[in-house]
Amino acid sequence: QVQLQESGPGLVKPSQTLSLTCTVSGGSISSGSYYWSWIRQPAGKGLEWVGRSYISGSTNYNPSLKSRVTISVDTSKNQFSLKLSSVTAADTAVYYCARYFWGSFDSWGQGTLVTVSS
Amino acid sequence: EIVLTQSPGTLSLSPGERATLSCRASQSVSSNYLAWYQQKPGQAPRLLIYGASSRATGIPDRFSGSGSGTDFTLTISRLEPEDFAVYYCQQYDSSPLFTFGPGTKVDIK
Repeated sequence: QVQLQESGPGLVKPSQTLSLTCTVSGGSISSGSYYWSWIRQPAGKGLEWVGRSYISGSTNYNPSLKSRVTISVDTSKNQFSLKLSSVTAADTAVYYCARYFWGSFDSWGQGTLVTVSS
Repeated sequence: EIVLTQSPGTLSLSPGERATLSCRASQSVSSNYLAWYQQKPGQAPRLLIYGASSRATGIPDRFSGSGSGTDFTLTISRLEPEDFAVYYCQQYDSSPLFTFGPGTKVDIK
């Protein structure tokens, strides 16, 4: 069974770039018709899709974040990553990496809290 | 953008009771790309239902999904203690591709 694990700094200063990595284990990131996604959740609030990438490099982003988001896949490391630039306090959230298949997200990481504060 | 509305906001029930959760879309959801997730405090969401009515791997058969077009329902036939959680619906469409409903909290009466 595939497992996903987020990693990265838990504290980012305003205006800087948030960088997270998701490591996939128990399966190859290159196999199957999967997209690799990031979803976030501010404390006590609902879920917001951030974006996704396929192994080919094809990406889709939430229009509300598109100008600041980059998602990429590294097949050699079985990882994918998220970069979110020019962060503000509104970007403080738990960030989840997830695997997308056929309209839904069937595997999720445990989530990592990122706080934007000086 | 398709907006999802979930009702009720909170559902207070006792173990053994039936739970019926509603998810309504502002426009028709294409090809029934509607999913349901369960989230417990401090945990990631877990996929329960995809394609409006198909149970994900390992999901007990007390969970069932139904509906089409703009109206969808998640039913828990008999609540177990571990079912008290927040439930989200999610749709896949053209832009911004994926949106989630605000959630329904099922708590113990």
